Amino acid sequence: QITLKESGPTLVKPTQTLTLTCTFSGFSLSTSGVGVGWLRQPPGKALEWLALIYWDDDKRYNPSLKSRLTITKDTSKNQVVLTMTNMDPVDTATYYCAHRRGGDYHYDYWGQGTLVTVSS
Amino acid sequence: QSALTQPASVSGSPGQSITISCTGTSSDVGSYNLVSWYQHHPGKAPKLMIYEGSKRPSGVSNRFSGSKSGNTASLTISGLQAEDEADYYCCSYAGGSTLVFGGGTKLTVL
Repeated sequence: QITLKESGPTLVKPTQTLTLTCTFSGFSLSTSGVGVGWLRQPPGKALEWLALIYWDDDKRYNPSLKSRLTITKDTSKNQVVLTMTNMDPVDTATYYCAHRRGGDYHYDYWGQGTLVTVSS
Repeated sequence: QSALTQPASVSGSPGQSITISCTGTSSDVGSYNLVSWYQHHPGKAPKLMIYEGSKRPSGVSNRFSGSKSGNTASLTISGLQAEDEADYYCCSYAGGSTLVFGGGTKLTVL
């Protein structure tokens, strides 16, 4: 059974760097084709795809946020980490991580999400 | 990319059918048969209901079906049940490894 869980701070100040961790089970990020992505949903707004990392360390970023995002993986710990620099109140959102199989264009398993509020 | 357009809310009575539309552009929905739909009960993990336009993952009821015409994709739920009450989001591949989502539709089962 595939499960994912997001963890990190619930409150960050403007200009700070956000670090979120996705801890997963039920699959290995060393398996060919597998990927883990990060997505977010600001209150009352649409979901937004942020970043994706594949089993072979190939990384993809949302072009509009690319300069602020870094995604990494620790295969031995079954974790994927997302960092977002220069946080702003508009970055207040529920952040999700999700599993994606190679060749697919959808996420088949998601975490429950973690709400991050950006406020001074 | 702009978000896909979904109605904010739809409603139906138990046993009825409802359809949720998802309108994009020729750069996303219209160009690829790669629309997915997610069911989200607040506080829970989103659940994949439809992928590649009309395919259902194992375990998803056949009451859920997807289709596409031009730049608009649709999710139809037949035989509405109380547990179908949730938020539904569409998503489309938009090229260059990018996915674009809809704003979500709140389904109320009356």
